[in-house]
Amino acid sequence: DAMVIQNPRYQVTQFGKPVTLSCSQTLNHNVMYWYQQKSSQAPKLLFHYYDKDFNNEADTPDNFQSRRPNTSFCFLDIRSPGLGDAAMYLCATSRDYLENEQFFGPGTRLTVL
Amino acid sequence: AQTVTQSQPEMSVQEAETVTLSCTYDTSESDYYLFWYKQPPSRQMILVIRQEAYKQQNATENRFSVNFQKAAKSFSLKISDSQLGDAAMYFCAYRSAFVTGANSKLTFGKGITLSVRP
Repeated sequence: DAMVIQNPRYQVTQFGKPVTLSCSQTLNHNVMYWYQQKSSQAPKLLFHYYDKDFNNEADTPDNFQSRRPNTSFCFLDIRSPGLGDAAMYLCATSRDYLENEQFFGPGTRLTVL
Repeated sequence: AQTVTQSQPEMSVQEAETVTLSCTYDTSESDYYLFWYKQPPSRQMILVIRQEAYKQQNATENRFSVNFQKAAKSFSLKISDSQLGDAAMYFCAYRSAFVTGANSKLTFGKGITLSVRP
């Protein structure tokens, strides 16, 4: 089935140790989003890509970077994770900006020790 | 900036009964979309129902319906004949209809955890 896949589902890293989260999609959608969802809080958009065009939210910390090497894959890099970065990270896709439904992956839960 | 508020963190419903989840939002835009997403434990978020602000008729999807009150900026979700599989976290979300890159994002509420009692 076409879907949005996130790996790993659970990631444990140490304070300050770089970590990369992965998202892939078989929907062939143009837009890919990364959301951060902290416990008991609303998911918050970090950035998104339209094809290879990167769009950063104004309040996303510089510690967070992203790469999209092709249509199917998108990566979230956290250069120096802090304790405050522990959260669920959600990847989502949409066909284009006019398509208002976003399709979500199951998320990666990041723990920072 | 738009905001979405879900003031009830938790609700519980008896199986086969009806439950209503509340959501309010704030925006200065005249046209937009509203959504309810369901996030079951350890599973991905899925779209339950959507409402286009320019449509007066409330959206309905099987057992799920909304009560959209544009003037009051209220968007509640009614689940009829509740089933055990309805237990999940439910998020209300907003998206502008004036589509640019930045406006394509969803603005979410904090969510409400719904439990269903057998």
